[in-house]
Amino acid sequence: AIRMTQSPPSLSASSGDRVTITCRANQSISRYLAWYQQKPGKAPKLLISAASTLQSGLPSRFSGSGSGTDFTLTITSLQSEDFATYSCQQYYSYPPTFGQGTRVEIK
Amino acid sequence: QVHLVESGGGVVQPGRSRRLSCAASRFSFSSYGMHWVRQAPGKGLEWLAVISSGGSKQYYADSVKGRFTISRDNPKNTLFLQMNSLSADDTALYYCVATQEDYLGSESYAASFESWGQGTLVTVSA
Repeated sequence: AIRMTQSPPSLSASSGDRVTITCRANQSISRYLAWYQQKPGKAPKLLISAASTLQSGLPSRFSGSGSGTDFTLTITSLQSEDFATYSCQQYYSYPPTFGQGTRVEIK
Repeated sequence: QVHLVESGGGVVQPGRSRRLSCAASRFSFSSYGMHWVRQAPGKGLEWLAVISSGGSKQYYADSVKGRFTISRDNPKNTLFLQMNSLSADDTALYYCVATQEDYLGSESYAASFESWGQGTLVTVSA
């Protein structure tokens, strides 16, 4: 199975900050990479697929980039509703695998 | 808009079995690939199993292969997960997930997960 490693495991930030989360695969996954946002007690929500395609209706402050093994989720101008856990997932091959998550906390 | 409601969770003793259900509505269930994903308390997401739209193909994570069985009843718009030989490591919130990409086989690309249920909690404890 492909291993996905996220960094950092957690971060503290203030509203208005720019936040960057990294996800690395242990083999090339082309652009078969998704990002999810999860708030406490809620199901994950798909933010980005195909490494950089923002899901319809979501704010443009979320963006994704990367290909191959290294990927980035960027949140420009962090808003209060963005404090959550973010996870990456590869869907290049079965079994699909997730990173361990990055918790974005209020500083 | 896809609507998924899981049920069947609860407290189960180690070594026993449990069957989870996922009732689907507001979309063409029989055209979608369906998955189960779980999340242990305070842990990350773990994909468990997929079933093709017609129900003929399944694939499992190594952690549950031989113990869990995914199935579906398309006329009743329901997905199932039969879980046997449960242990404390299976304690988790179990989500069903619908994907427009069908499961074509283990050599195919997997899918991103756009539609999730709210989850049902399974606690394995004596």
